[in-house]
Amino acid sequence: DTAVSQTPKYLVTQMGNDKSIKCEQNLGHDTMYWYKQDSKKFLKIMFSYNNKELIINETVPNRFSPKSPDKAHLNLHINSLELGDSAVYFCASSQGTAKNIQYFGAGTRLSVL
Amino acid sequence: LAKITQPISMDSYEGQEVNITCSHNNIATNDYITWYQQFPSQGPRFIIQGYKTKVTNEVASLFIPADRKSSTLSLPRVSLSDTAVYYCLVGEMGGGFKTIFGAGTRLFVKA
Repeated sequence: DTAVSQTPKYLVTQMGNDKSIKCEQNLGHDTMYWYKQDSKKFLKIMFSYNNKELIINETVPNRFSPKSPDKAHLNLHINSLELGDSAVYFCASSQGTAKNIQYFGAGTRLSVL
Repeated sequence: LAKITQPISMDSYEGQEVNITCSHNNIATNDYITWYQQFPSQGPRFIIQGYKTKVTNEVASLFIPADRKSSTLSLPRVSLSDTAVYYCLVGEMGGGFKTIFGAGTRLFVKA
């Protein structure tokens, strides 16, 4: 009954490949997010999405795209993977006006070789 | 956006009370102070949030002085399992996309 679940937990792939990370939340929240945590452990927000609005961090390359089939899912697609994409990616969700209280998944460790 | 300063790391022993102070001199009127905890190989976990004075829950207390330019997260009687990184965030309740995590404070609890 995990609140925010991500799959896979680990992802190892070659440069140039396209990959996806899935995220599902069963909290009934209306907003979901993707974060990137680099090797220095800094967490940076990439996207914020609810059924009305997608907000994109301007520093995120357009090789990254979020896709939401429904309110409970926000998947992350990455095209033409690069070495610098190696990091841990976290999905999170929040509800209503309390958007600064977010619930995070366990993360997906992506390694690009 | 408020600039946040917190210690890079702290050491403590089991059973002690730990206080982690966060400085946010240019906090705005509508900003709340939120703390998260992150264990290795896990996502951040919300601990506590406050606007002013004192907030207490089953995990921690949050002390906020009248000028709100700083805040202190207090963890009573820490155990080894409290070893984690603690992040102080400042922002509006509705500012989900504006959530900014700093470097955090790495707390190491020793036996």
